[in-house]
Amino acid sequence: SAVISQKPSRDICQRGTSLTIQCQVDSQVTMMFWYRQQPGQSLTLIATANQGSEATYESGFVIDKFPISRPNLTFSTLTVSNMSPEDSSIYLCSVSITGQSTDTQYFGPGTRLTVL
Amino acid sequence: AQSVTQLGSHVSVSEGALVLLRCNYSSSVPPYLFWYVQYPNQGLQLLLKYTSAATLVKGINGFEAEFKKSETSFHLTKPSAHMSDAAEYFCAVTKSGGFKTIFGAGTRLFVKA
Repeated sequence: SAVISQKPSRDICQRGTSLTIQCQVDSQVTMMFWYRQQPGQSLTLIATANQGSEATYESGFVIDKFPISRPNLTFSTLTVSNMSPEDSSIYLCSVSITGQSTDTQYFGPGTRLTVL
Repeated sequence: AQSVTQLGSHVSVSEGALVLLRCNYSSSVPPYLFWYVQYPNQGLQLLLKYTSAATLVKGINGFEAEFKKSETSFHLTKPSAHMSDAAEYFCAVTKSGGFKTIFGAGTRLFVKA
């Protein structure tokens, strides 16, 4: 299993600013993912964070808006840039230990972002 | 393309009653199926998963699900609901050889005393 922590747990930000969310895992993992969960909705995958290479973004998400870093096998950051109220959401980090399709994903508690 | 459909965004049951949360999948290849639960202000945690072994899968907290290929379904059940089961439940699918998980829209379970 894996235990995941995220910082900050919540934040209220002004329009036009940026916020960096940190995700720390208690063990080395193969794959890390960033999801967005808008109020009352399901999870939407933003990107897969690859160690040592650029993140792989899903359709509708771009690196300029959501830059991601993954400097090692236990840590990743997601930045939400030039924020607007539409970015208000919960951002979740998750990991797959082995990267296999049968693998369980472990989730962090999420970062609740409100943009004014 | 893969997808999952959860029938019913909200389900309400009485404490002690049967819980049935419906999930149907669409996949061109044999899928791997998961049920996750999300309690308020928390991340998701795995309830159970189907990975092509036994079609009846038992999970944590008394939940189980049955994979029915003929019906393309993976419904989640629990014989007797408890107040602590009130949460959001997500059905999810991946495919062999892939790692991307597709989540359903979620079903919020309410348990009445």
